[in-house]
Amino acid sequence: DAGVIQSPRHEVTEMGQEVTLRCKPISGHDYLFWYRQTMMRGLELLIYFNNNVPIDDSGMPEDRFSAKMPNASFSTLKIQPSEPRDSAVYFCASRTSGVNNEQFFGPGTRLTVL
Amino acid sequence: TQLLEQSPQFLSIQEGENLTVYCNSSSVFSSLQWYRQEPGEGPVLLVTVVTGGEVKKLKRLTFQFGDARKDSSLHITAAQPGDTGLYLCAGSYNDYKLSFGAGTTVTVRA
Repeated sequence: DAGVIQSPRHEVTEMGQEVTLRCKPISGHDYLFWYRQTMMRGLELLIYFNNNVPIDDSGMPEDRFSAKMPNASFSTLKIQPSEPRDSAVYFCASRTSGVNNEQFFGPGTRLTVL
Repeated sequence: TQLLEQSPQFLSIQEGENLTVYCNSSSVFSSLQWYRQEPGEGPVLLVTVVTGGEVKKLKRLTFQFGDARKDSSLHITAAQPGDTGLYLCAGSYNDYKLSFGAGTTVTVRA
């Protein structure tokens, strides 16, 4: 079975450009999470969805970041405009309902903003 | 600010040695999970501990949840090069959010 799929795997862009990261969760999973990982701050939760509805976006750093989940099999994280400090690895994860169930992570998108 | 403090930050040992990684917090968690992450990949769940004082074993890995559910440890016996990776603890407050520690980078030399 396919795991969580993320694209692109690597993205290099220039400051000020719009960046869109994509995620396809595991089929049947009703929770989807977006994380950011840096050396300085570790793994941080940005936002999570339940049944395509955003539940908690308190981790989104600022208005330049937005996330959508138009259907159960697709989500996007958009940064507009991008800045060098946004450089990080962005992970998408999904899980089923039920407390303590495992979160399955995708391979991540490594974003570099020049 | 990390709610979960992991120590040590880096650990390098020889194959066959034992190691322990610690995860501490001032907060009480409803559950705590340990993940292992390899370069270029996402974290993969190793174990979930729920009950204070709980001990779980996964082959050569032993996980313990503190009695007060504020701390946890991961002990690896007779480490092998395949155990090399970033070990992350993550706590949950009885919802679906996880708060991750900064991680411990473990290197096992052959």
